[in-house]
Amino acid sequence: DGGITQSPKYLFRKEGQNVTLSCEQNLNHDAMYWYRQDPGQGLRLIYYSQIVNDFQKGDIAEGYSVSREKKESFPLTVTSAQKNPTAFYLCASSSPGWEELFFGEGSRLTVL
Amino acid sequence: DQQVKQNSPSLSVQEGRISILNCDYTNSMFDYFLWYKKYPAEGPTFLISISSIKDKNEDGRFTVFLNKSAKHLSLHIVPSQPGDSAVYFCAASVYNTDKLIFGTGTRLQVFP
Repeated sequence: DGGITQSPKYLFRKEGQNVTLSCEQNLNHDAMYWYRQDPGQGLRLIYYSQIVNDFQKGDIAEGYSVSREKKESFPLTVTSAQKNPTAFYLCASSSPGWEELFFGEGSRLTVL
Repeated sequence: DQQVKQNSPSLSVQEGRISILNCDYTNSMFDYFLWYKKYPAEGPTFLISISSIKDKNEDGRFTVFLNKSAKHLSLHIVPSQPGDSAVYFCAASVYNTDKLIFGTGTRLQVFP
């Protein structure tokens, strides 16, 4: 079945630690995105990538890093520089056209 | 600076009645609008869209209306069903750009 897989679903981290969230898609989509969702806020764009080995900062990229070494994979690292990392993180991918924006099931990160 | 606003965080509607979810935007460059539906612990899924050359788009029980002069769009669900209970996100983009701006979401509850 085609889709997007995010892992882990739940993650706990101590302050000062980096953590990497995985996102894999088998939809053959060129574009991939990372969004963050906080209570009372819309989905905010962290990073996006339109093609392998290229990515751009979104609206709230500070404290995050990404890589795009393979078309299928777009991991997100939440670094210790991110001041408020506790959130629900959603990965998405799309072929051209926003109707084709597919989301993963999300990863909930809690910093203790 | 919230470019896409959903001012009602929640809405409760009786089964069989009409649900109306509202969305306002500030950027006059937006020319493509979408609604996504999100169940708990799942990623959003595309529901319906409208481009700025139209003022109405219908898909089954779902109709989206666009009022460009008022920078306002609304999603009508008729008749509402309990399975429609979810969070609905409005989103906007400038055609052929890389960013989709989401609203804060409206939680719809349809009760029997």
